[in-house]
Amino acid sequence: QKEVEQNSGPLSVPEGAIASLNCTYSDRGSQSFFWYRQYSGKSPELIMSIYSNGDKEDGRFTAQLNKASQYVSLLIRDSQPSDSATYLCAVGGNTGNQFYFGTGTSLTVIP
Amino acid sequence: DAGITQSPRHKVTETGTPVTLRCHQTENHRYMYWYRQDPGHGLRLIHYSYGVKDTDKGEVSDGYSVSRSKTEDFLLTLESATSSQTSVYFCAIRGAESYEQYFGPGTRLTVT
Repeated sequence: QKEVEQNSGPLSVPEGAIASLNCTYSDRGSQSFFWYRQYSGKSPELIMSIYSNGDKEDGRFTAQLNKASQYVSLLIRDSQPSDSATYLCAVGGNTGNQFYFGTGTSLTVIP
Repeated sequence: DAGITQSPRHKVTETGTPVTLRCHQTENHRYMYWYRQDPGHGLRLIHYSYGVKDTDKGEVSDGYSVSRSKTEDFLLTLESATSSQTSVYFCAIRGAESYEQYFGPGTRLTVT
């Protein structure tokens, strides 16, 4: 069983702060890593993908990957109330055909 | 929703009845996926397709079947619905050049 673990939260941060979301995975053969944002009652929306060790930045979002530690994280800088959502970590298997999702971390940004 | 539609968006059905959910894409993507999302379990893969008439099972495939006779349509069938299949069902698509998956709006299914 390939496992993806996330803290369920809830995680609360004040507006303007940095939110840090973490994810660990069990399959060392995993090659692709993704973060999705899901608002209540809506479908998951892809916000970041990362394939190699290190950091990848896109606007206020930074994804960090450490394959040796089997760890991937998402940093949200200058958090806004509109960032309040559940964040899902997804890990692709070694063929890339299947994703394994964590149960998500609920983030609340307090104005 | 990346050119993906799902129908119906909501359905209530009785135990033992057959149910078919449809996913339609306008992107001509090769890969299509069916997931279910339940509290405490996250998103779990039911079945996926890597081309017309090419499908494979995911981690929770029991009680479900799929068909893909055209690139744009991927059908999920519950042959005899059970209350444990009450869930939100999402379809996703992926192009052959990327591992990124994009999700449809979802179908909320209630089996009474």
